[in-house]
Amino acid sequence: KAGVTQTPRYLIKTRGQQVTLSCSPISGHRSVSWYQQTPGQGLQFLFEYFSETQRNKGNFPGRFSGRQFSNSRSEMNVSTLELGDSALYLCASSLEGQGEEQFFGPGTRLTVL
Amino acid sequence: TQLLEQSPQFLSIQEGENLTVYCNSSSVFSSLQWYRQEPGEGPVLLVTVVTGGEVKKLKRLTFQFGDARKDSSLHITAAQPGDTGLYLCAGANYGQNFVFGPGTRLSVLP
Repeated sequence: KAGVTQTPRYLIKTRGQQVTLSCSPISGHRSVSWYQQTPGQGLQFLFEYFSETQRNKGNFPGRFSGRQFSNSRSEMNVSTLELGDSALYLCASSLEGQGEEQFFGPGTRLTVL
Repeated sequence: TQLLEQSPQFLSIQEGENLTVYCNSSSVFSSLQWYRQEPGEGPVLLVTVVTGGEVKKLKRLTFQFGDARKDSSLHITAAQPGDTGLYLCAGANYGQNFVFGPGTRLSVLP
């Protein structure tokens, strides 16, 4: 069974631009969670999608948004990029989410210049 | 707010040594996971523990969940360079999302 895939793996943007990241979960998994990882803050929860609905949201500004499609694939979007948005963005999938075992993708390394 | 602390923050040891890293919280969790993450990659799930006092073994790695389900430890026997990485613990309660600790960065020198 294929693992969680994320595209692109690396991305360089400039301040003020916007970016869209993609995540394909493990087949059969309906929950996709997104995390931001930085050296200073560690792994922080962004939001979780289940059956095309945002079920939980972390403490991030509205510039961070996401969506999930009927095939469970998910995208997250960051608008008006800031230097502090430079991070490794990880998605994780699980069957039903909310405390179940989750499996991470390799991440997208975003650099904002 | 549920918080997880991990100690030590950094650990550098020689190949063949034993080590223990800790994950502590003032909150009770219904489940706790341990991950290992290598640079530039996503965390890889090592184990999930759900019962207070539970001990699980994965080759040279031994995981224990505290009786009160507030803390956990990871013991590595005869560490090898391949064990090098960032070890993360994450706790969750049913219906809630995972909370991650800051991690222990382990370096095993040959």
